[in-house]
Amino acid sequence: KNQVEQSPQSLIILEGKNCTLQCNYTVSPFSNLRWYKQDTGRGPVSLTIMTFSENTKSNGRYTATLDADTKQSSLHITASQLSDSASYICVVSDRGSTLGRLYFGRGTQLTVWP
Amino acid sequence: EADIYQTPRYLVIGTGKKITLECSQTMGHDKMYWYQQDPGMELHLIHYSYGVNSTEKGDLSSESTVSRIRTEHFPLTLESARPSHTSQYLCASSVTQGPSGANVLTFGAGSRLTVL
Repeated sequence: KNQVEQSPQSLIILEGKNCTLQCNYTVSPFSNLRWYKQDTGRGPVSLTIMTFSENTKSNGRYTATLDADTKQSSLHITASQLSDSASYICVVSDRGSTLGRLYFGRGTQLTVWP
Repeated sequence: EADIYQTPRYLVIGTGKKITLECSQTMGHDKMYWYQQDPGMELHLIHYSYGVNSTEKGDLSSESTVSRIRTEHFPLTLESARPSHTSQYLCASSVTQGPSGANVLTFGAGSRLTVL
């Protein structure tokens, strides 16, 4: 069964600290993996998208890694800010159809305290 | 700046009412989607469209219906709302990006529906 599991479910850190969010997936055949940031009451916004051949991709203070062999991804946030408080969603796409079916994780709820 | 717009952002209605959630995008994307999201849960695809006059049901069964008469417009309608329809509804559109042909979604801000 194609699934996307994220951990931890929630995380609280102090402003300025770093943190790493995890995503494990069983989706096959794999096409790409995306990380989205969703502020409370808003729609998700894309942070990164990674294909099979990419191991690392950065977007400002966000760095995503992908290990396609172990089917794991991580999102590292450096020098956290209060505005980083949000839900971070891992989404994996398969290659089974023209549309590329998307499998969503439940997200990690990150809270950054001053 | 948002290129995909959803209205209303919040709606509280009584059981049995007909409602339409509006979604418009200005990016010229062919593909559009409706997702349903409950607190702490993953997004579930309820409808999608490849283009004008094309609509398909998604993975999650929904009593709602959609139409795609114009490229930029993809409204969702509930003929008779029930408390079980209370949820957040997210509209998205997409374009194929990069050599891998990845389907990158742009989401609207969402419509939070509460049915009493």
